[in-house]
Amino acid sequence: DVKVTQSSRYLVKRTGEKVFLECVQDMDHENMFWYRQDPGLGLRLIYFSYDVKMKEKGDIPEGYSVSREKKERFSLILESASTNQTSMYLCASTFEGAVDEQYFGPGTRLTVT
Amino acid sequence: SQQGEEDPQALSIQEGENATMNCSYKTSINNLQWYRQNSGRGLVHLILIRSNEREKHSGRLRVTLDTSKKSSSLLITASRAADTASYFCATLDNYGQNFVFGPGTRLSVLP
Repeated sequence: DVKVTQSSRYLVKRTGEKVFLECVQDMDHENMFWYRQDPGLGLRLIYFSYDVKMKEKGDIPEGYSVSREKKERFSLILESASTNQTSMYLCASTFEGAVDEQYFGPGTRLTVT
Repeated sequence: SQQGEEDPQALSIQEGENATMNCSYKTSINNLQWYRQNSGRGLVHLILIRSNEREKHSGRLRVTLDTSKKSSSLLITASRAADTASYFCATLDNYGQNFVFGPGTRLSVLP
């Protein structure tokens, strides 16, 4: 079974802190994605990556950056956390092009106070 | 802007009844997928239907796709309490690069 894991299930940070959310997949998937999920808005794509050291902006990249130094790991970075970044963050991965189903991690619920 | 829009936003039914959820989208798509999310958890893929398909079945799930109306429906037959979850449609555009998710339908199946 494909397994996508995220470093934390719950995280509480203060405004202005630097936050790292890590995602690891064990199926040698080329593509990895970071979404945030907010009530009534569904999932919105923040960043995605099709290969190591490669990244593409999604729909809402502002305030976020990413890092993909190894194929299995995709990190989401909040340089200076703000309260409007309180959300559920979901990581996903797929093979090759994003044609196939996405495999999701369990999510990280981040609260910024 | 939202590509997939599920309808209704919330649905409450009795165990054993059928549940139907709809999804509308705006642009041409490569495929459309349905996902389920249990409370506070990640999404689980349910079924994928390609743009040249009209209907697909998987167990108690039946998905239809009408590309002329840019809409899809997910039918869950003989619902169970364990089907209680949020259901999301996601469309993949013709460039094959981005999934776009709708806001979801929250389904409650009462025992």
